[in-house]
This record gives sequence, structure tokens and C-alpha cells, in this order.
Amino acid sequence: ETGVTQTPRHLVMGMTNKKSLKCEQHLGHNAMYWYKQSAKKPLELMFVYSLEERVENNSVPSRFSPECPNSSHLFLHLHTLQPEDSALYLCASSQEVAGAIYNEQFFGPGTRLTVL
Amino acid sequence: RKEVEQDPGPFNVPEGATVAFNCTYSNSASQSFFWYRQDCRKEPKLLMSVYSSGNEDGRFTAQLNRASQYISLLIRDSKLSDSATYLCVVTSNNNAGNMLTFGGGTRLMVKP
Repeated sequence: ETGVTQTPRHLVMGMTNKKSLKCEQHLGHNAMYWYKQSAKKPLELMFVYSLEERVENNSVPSRFSPECPNSSHLFLHLHTLQPEDSALYLCASSQEVAGAIYNEQFFGPGTRLTVL
Repeated sequence: RKEVEQDPGPFNVPEGATVAFNCTYSNSASQSFFWYRQDCRKEPKLLMSVYSSGNEDGRFTAQLNRASQYISLLIRDSKLSDSATYLCVVTSNNNAGNMLTFGGGTRLMVKP
């Protein structure tokens, strides 16, 4: 596997279900991100992990719970979601270098989530 | 006001045409600027960075105007394969590192 992979690619769940999205990066990067892309809205940053420590939580509801067990893996645990949470959830990774203004982020293919 | 604003389009152009997209951003402290490309049902991928001096990559030219806070992308000699959504992205740097803020994207459709 190369790049950033995400599983599952598609997920349909009821509002009472609990599910998890998985992301794995094979690039040796030290930072990982969760984004949400809803129809007709810009990508929204949800969470940032740098060196396995959460450094950003962009006012995301508690029904979304991230987990970063190591620098290569990132999970998004979902519970009691709402229909408006239906969206494409994208994972990304980058190699953060101290002092650099920007380090390119590489995206996974996303998980398309439908909440019934 | 949206942080990064783009005309959603779609821009329908014939093959070979020249097409330009603009983008405005509201945060004057933004440090870096990019165009990403997103194909239908695929993930975004970096197309090119945008520098104040302007930069060119083949048929693509990007410009930045910091005073007016806008960014442009020019595509010359459009190809069918250029059909995609083009995302304007700006970054700001905080304790969490570099944060990307995306525009809503401009959809381009190149027709034969």
C-alpha cells in the first residue's frame, strides 16, 4: 500500500449505531488530519494530530471522537450521529518541519458516510 | 463573509479555450496559497503553489495579489482531462502547525 488509505470507502449507519473510520498513512509523516466535505460546502478541518498529540479540535461535536494510536494510524469513532453528518470524511497526512510555512498535505480517498 | 470565496461555476468551455478562476480570502495574515484539484468522487491533490511573483507550470499560471487579497488560476489550451473542481486554499500558521482553509471550489467542464 502506498500513500494514504482509508477504510471503509462507503458506510451507511443508523443514528443509534457506533462505527469507526480508519486511516493509515504509508509516507512516514508525523501529522495527520480529519476533514469533512459536505455537499456544496468547503472542506472543513475537524482534527489535527501532530506527533500523535491532538493539537487542534475545530469545535467538532462530541459524537465524533478521534484516536491516534501511532503516527501511521488515525481513527474517527462515530456514535449517535445525525443525518446532517452525512458527508465525505477525508484523512490527510503531512511531514511537519519546524519553521516551515507549509508542508504539503496528502489526502486519502475518503469515506463516504450516510446517516439514516 | 466566507474565509475563502470562489465562484462555484460550473465553467463550461470548449477544448483549447483559456479559462481563468479567481479566489478571494479574508484573513490578511494568511501566509501561503495554493490551488488544489479534486476530480469527481476523488480526493483533493495539490496542483500548484501560488507566489507573489506569479508562477507558471506548463499550461497553468497562478497569481497572488496580497494587497487585494485575491488569487487567480489561468489555464491555457484547455484539455478534456482538465475537467475537475479547482480548490483555492490558504494557510495560516498557529501552534498547531499549518492549517489549510479551503474555498468551496470552482467546477470546470471542458467539452469536445
